[in-house]
Formats: sequence, C-alpha cells, structure tokens
Amino acid sequence: GQQLNQSPQSMFIQEGEDVSMNCTSSSIFNTWLWYKQDPGEGPVLLIALYKAGELTSNGRLTAQFGITRKDSFLNISASIPSDVGIYFCAGLPPNDMRFGAGTRLTVKP
Amino acid sequence: GAVVSQHPSWVICKSGTSVKIECRSLDFQATTMFWYRQFPKQSLMLMATSNEGSKATYEQGVEKDKFLINHASLTLSTLTVTSAHPEDSSFYICSASPQGRHEQYFGPGTRLTVT
Repeated sequence: GQQLNQSPQSMFIQEGEDVSMNCTSSSIFNTWLWYKQDPGEGPVLLIALYKAGELTSNGRLTAQFGITRKDSFLNISASIPSDVGIYFCAGLPPNDMRFGAGTRLTVKP
Repeated sequence: GAVVSQHPSWVICKSGTSVKIECRSLDFQATTMFWYRQFPKQSLMLMATSNEGSKATYEQGVEKDKFLINHASLTLSTLTVTSAHPEDSSFYICSASPQGRHEQYFGPGTRLTVT
C-alpha cells in the first residue's frame, strides 16, 4: 500500500518559535489533510487541501499541497503552549485515507 | 459543524464479556464511518470501513467475528468487541465522512480496558 512518511517524529521548541513539519508519499494523493490530536482525545481536522499547489491558512497554521502531489507541509507560526500535541498528516489516494506516524510537538514556555 | 460523538468515553469490562461502542454524526449524515484503534504513542490504525446499509469492510488482520460493526442509519455506527481479552484494551476512535466528501471527522474516542 501507499507509504506515507511524516517528519520529524518529535519537536521541542520554545514558545514563540515557528514550526514546520512535512509528509511525503511514495505515490500521488488527491487530498491532503492535517489533524491535531490532544492526549486522550480524537484528532481534530485543522486544514484540508484538495489541489496541487494549494496553500491554505487557518489562523497561525499554514499548509501546502505539493506540486508533485506526493508531499505536503504544515507550518505553525509563533507557537504557543496550547499548540502542544500530536500532528498527523493524512492522504487520500483517492478514497482510502492513510495517516502519517505523527509529529509530537512540545512547546516550552 | 461536522461533530461526531462516541459513547461511552471509557469502559472497563471483564475478560470474556462483550462491549458495544456507539459512534454518531450529530449534525450531518454519513454514508461512511470508520473505526480506528490507537495504541499509546502510535498512529491510528484503520480497523474497518462501515457503510450504511451494507457489510463493513475489514482491514487485513482484523477479525470480523470479534469486532462486529453495524451501520444501521446515516448517523449511527456501532462497534461491538466480542469476548474481550486484555489484549483488546486500547483507544478506539471512530470517524465519519459527510455525504459526498472525503475528509473524516473524528469522535473523541473510547478507552477500553479489559481486566
């Protein structure tokens, strides 16, 4: 099946810093999604991308659908303590969604 | 919009008993719902895809007779863990896709502990 690689696995940053994480696939996706999961809760959809090259923002979050349709990145600007959690990318190739392994973000005040 | 609920949020049961978990889409209709399992510090593992009015499609390695899925309406899917054993203890999360859409909206999860 499709391989979806997410990096980095974890990040430890200072409050106020910017964050960048990405996902790459071994094959083409039609849709890229970014979720955040807090401990003991279900993932929450942050951003959905549907077209190659699409750049979408949601507050301090910005995500892009790579031109090759095999990658996507998520940026978080000016991080705050509540950004702590696990961020998952997900791709639809085209109907069967697959998840990355997640990026665990820790923000130090 | 796009709210999904799960019930119960946590359950403790004895080995050998069965447990039913409900997943509801509260403000949209979902032709398709999904059931995931998540172990600590790991990603979500798709167990099965539930289609309203038809049999669920199970992922390889998931026992359909052990994890019974019923999707009787466009807003409700249930997962029954039959004859539960301690190794079934996990965090079970459902998700639902609005009709005609591919993105999935997740429920808050159900933590199952089998003693």
